[in-house]
Amino acid sequence: RKEVEQDPGPFNVPEGATVAFNCTYSNSASQSFFWYRQDCRKEPKLLMSVYSSGNEDGRFTAQLNRASQYISLLIRDSKLSDSATYLCVVTRYNFNKFYFGSGTKLNVKP
Amino acid sequence: DTEVTQTPKHLVMGMTNKKSLKCEQHMGHRAMYWYKQKAKKPPELMFVYSYEKLSINESVPSRFSPECPNSSLLNLHLHALQPEDSALYLCASSQLGLNTGELFFGEGSRLTVL
Repeated sequence: RKEVEQDPGPFNVPEGATVAFNCTYSNSASQSFFWYRQDCRKEPKLLMSVYSSGNEDGRFTAQLNRASQYISLLIRDSKLSDSATYLCVVTRYNFNKFYFGSGTKLNVKP
Repeated sequence: DTEVTQTPKHLVMGMTNKKSLKCEQHMGHRAMYWYKQKAKKPPELMFVYSYEKLSINESVPSRFSPECPNSSLLNLHLHALQPEDSALYLCASSQLGLNTGELFFGEGSRLTVL
């Protein structure tokens, strides 16, 4: 079983839509959770860290459900510039290895 | 601007060439990583250095040889590569300790093997 699983998409949504991505992780010892954004032919960049209490940054909301072992990313009022691949990344306590999901591709259409 | 710097940005090499990819960070991070990424795939871990010592080698072929000269620099030496090694090679760094924090990526070196 993969450490981290994501729906690969693509998600094709119109501008202004709300879209949600989920990601599940298999190891209950997982400690830190992140959403990265990767544009075509560019490096991944941190979008948000995900905290137990959930966190919000403008139009983006991330949540963690430890009991069910999943994290989510909600994007409200989608913009054309949100089109990218979103990578779910998980790491364990005191362990220098980051586990990547396969990425979810988002296409925001005019 | 990224705080992890990689050179060169693009590299074309033949199967008999020897070349090196270089990475530098000045954030005081003591963990540095090499990832390989093919199109439409997530980054795939190759090597991890912790406190300048190789701590993880993900069964990478010996034609890839990592080197960590000091806490700020990471190299990847390439020799006798195959066309299927063509990919984006990403360097990253993170803190070490109980909470490793996030990964910071460089812009990558795009390698083409002819």
